[in-house]
Amino acid sequence: NAGVTQTPKFRVLKTGQSMTLLCAQDMNHEYMYWYRQDPGMGLRLIHYSVGEGTTAKGEVPDGYNVSRLKKQNFLLGLESAAPSQTSVYFCASSYSLHPISGANVLTFGAGSRLTVL
Amino acid sequence: GENVEQHPSTLSVQEGDSAVIKCTYSDSASNYFPWYKQELGKRPQLIIDIRSNVGEKKDQRIAVTLNKTAKHFSLHITETQPEDSAVYFCAATSNFGNEKLTFGTGTRLTIIP
Repeated sequence: NAGVTQTPKFRVLKTGQSMTLLCAQDMNHEYMYWYRQDPGMGLRLIHYSVGEGTTAKGEVPDGYNVSRLKKQNFLLGLESAAPSQTSVYFCASSYSLHPISGANVLTFGAGSRLTVL
Repeated sequence: GENVEQHPSTLSVQEGDSAVIKCTYSDSASNYFPWYKQELGKRPQLIIDIRSNVGEKKDQRIAVTLNKTAKHFSLHITETQPEDSAVYFCAATSNFGNEKLTFGTGTRLTIIP
């Protein structure tokens, strides 16, 4: 049981390059999320998905696209990377409602550190 | 939308002393308030949460209090230990909806041996 796995863990890009971050979960969670973490800014939601084939914008969606073709995978794409997208990216997943607490406890991946030069 | 403010941004306490981190929220509809702990280089993990129908919740050395009237909630850590050193994030949402979960900006807690 791996939980939430993110690849790659580190990546350096040049401005204008594209890349995709992959998130995989093996907990049969309905919901999946992509956050970015910047110093002094906390965790900000980029995009999320409430089920296979669905995606929605979060707080800071500009410059990113996502896809969820399979329930267990959630991909985050940067079509034309900018230095402002230098950040640590966290994927997370959750039940729609936790079977015991009724709340949506987030399980995070280990993070992906992206640097855009 | 919801706005969550968290204070202080950094906190240093002597080992064995207590630490308190405070958060305020703006949306009166918020009813679920989790706290996540992130150790250096690690992923955030839930340590405790509270619902709006409860004023206080404890789990060993950790407690959270909620004042709905004032729209603020706090994390209390007693008898602090070196392993409590981490960044702590508060968050708030309504209807347990993680898609609306708003995080505070984090508090870096350092325990001084």
